[in-house]
Amino acid sequence: EAGVTQSPTHLIKTRGQQATLRCSPISGHTSVYWYQQALGLGLQFLLWYDEGEERNRGNFPPRFSGRQFPNYSSELNVNALELEDSALYLCASSLQGRYSPLHFGNGTRLTVT
Amino acid sequence: GQQVMQIPQYQHVQEGEDFTTYCNSSTTLSNIQWYKQRPGGHPVFLIQLVKSGEVKKQKRLTFQFGEAKKNSSLHITATQTTDVGTYFCARVIDKLIFGTGTRLQVFP
Repeated sequence: EAGVTQSPTHLIKTRGQQATLRCSPISGHTSVYWYQQALGLGLQFLLWYDEGEERNRGNFPPRFSGRQFPNYSSELNVNALELEDSALYLCASSLQGRYSPLHFGNGTRLTVT
Repeated sequence: GQQVMQIPQYQHVQEGEDFTTYCNSSTTLSNIQWYKQRPGGHPVFLIQLVKSGEVKKQKRLTFQFGEAKKNSSLHITATQTTDVGTYFCARVIDKLIFGTGTRLQVFP
C-alpha cells in the first residue's frame, strides 16, 4: 500500500511569491489534513478537508488556502509569502471519522528568502 | 483552552534507563492519540486511548489514560537508541490538536 505522498520535497521561494504544495492520500482515505512545523517546533493545524469540503481551519491568515479534489488529493496554497512561512508542511490522510489515526507524508520543506 | 501541554520538553537518558512523558489538559479529553517523530522524519501513529483509566502496552512502551481523562502518559522501559525522537500526544476536538511534544535523546 502506497503511503501519503507529497510534492515537491523542497521548495525555495522569495518573499511575496506564491507557493503550491501537493498531497496524495492513501487509497481509500477521504480526509486530508495540513500541518505546519517550524524548525524544532510542534505541529500547528492548518486545514482539514473531507469529501471535497473544508471542515476546519486553524489560526492562520487567509493567504493560507487549499482545496481537495474529487480523487481526494489536496493542494495547499500560500500567497504573499513571508519569511516566517519557512517550515516543513506536513500532509496527513485518514479514513473518515474524527478519531481515525493520521498517516503523514514526508512533508514539503518550504524556504522563503 | 484547547492546547495540550507535554512535560518535559526535553529528556536526555542513558541507554537502558526508563523514560516517561506526560500530557496534560485543563479540559476533559474524549480520546488521546500518541505519535512518534524520528529526527528528520514525519509523525507516526503509535496508539489511541479512549476509556478512562485505560492502559495499553506495546513491547517496552506503556500508555495510560487518566481516570479523569484529563491526562495521559507514555512510559518507555529500558530505552534504546532506536527510541530517539519526539513524542507527541494529540487530542481530538473538531480537529486533531497536537501537544507540544517531548524530545527524547538516548545516549549509548
